[in-house]
Amino acid sequence: AQTVTQSQPEMSVQEAETVTLSCTYDTSESDYYLFWYKQPPSRQMILVIRQEAYKQQNATENRFSVNFQKAAKSFSLKISDSQLGDAAMYFCAYRSAGDNDMRFGAGTRLTVKP
Amino acid sequence: KAGVTQTPRYLIKTRGQQVTLSCSPISGHRSVSWYQQTPGQGLQFLFEYFSETQRNKGNFPGRFSGRQFSNSRSEMNVSTLELGDSALYLCASSVGRNTEAFFGQGTRLTVV
Repeated sequence: AQTVTQSQPEMSVQEAETVTLSCTYDTSESDYYLFWYKQPPSRQMILVIRQEAYKQQNATENRFSVNFQKAAKSFSLKISDSQLGDAAMYFCAYRSAGDNDMRFGAGTRLTVKP
Repeated sequence: KAGVTQTPRYLIKTRGQQVTLSCSPISGHRSVSWYQQTPGQGLQFLFEYFSETQRNKGNFPGRFSGRQFSNSRSEMNVSTLELGDSALYLCASSVGRNTEAFFGQGTRLTVV
């Protein structure tokens, strides 16, 4: 079974600084997708970034980028120029290709200090 | 374009009762997945429906069931509620497989 591990329960960053959230996963599959979701106090899960396993290039969305290391099964999220609105729970998620059920990590609570 | 709508937002039920939660997906989305979120177990997959058929099911007891209607709206039902069923229930919709999943704001269920 696929598992997703987020080893940082909490992280803190100064506004305008850069922070990296860690995620590792375990799978025997070769075709899959990885995601980072943000869950603010409103509870709605918002997709931050998505990475297809077959793509070697790391995904980037504005201030958010990932470091995808397929061999190491690592998928970290880098947030540049952190803003107060980035404060939230961040979840790393895995999904097999051809399936719609996602496996989530335990989450990392990010605090942004002004 | 309207997002994923879950109703009700909050619910309080008594042990032993049953409850039905509703999810209206984004227009054009045919896949609806349900997740349970608790502080202890985190986010866990319940089941997925596509074109009125359950396509996948997580590791939950038979008290948890669901269905999908022809307009893609989905309901999940929990019978004989237990205190441990208290959770945030999230619904996600997508066009189909290998496409983005969009989440609703969830239904907060409290069992007393």
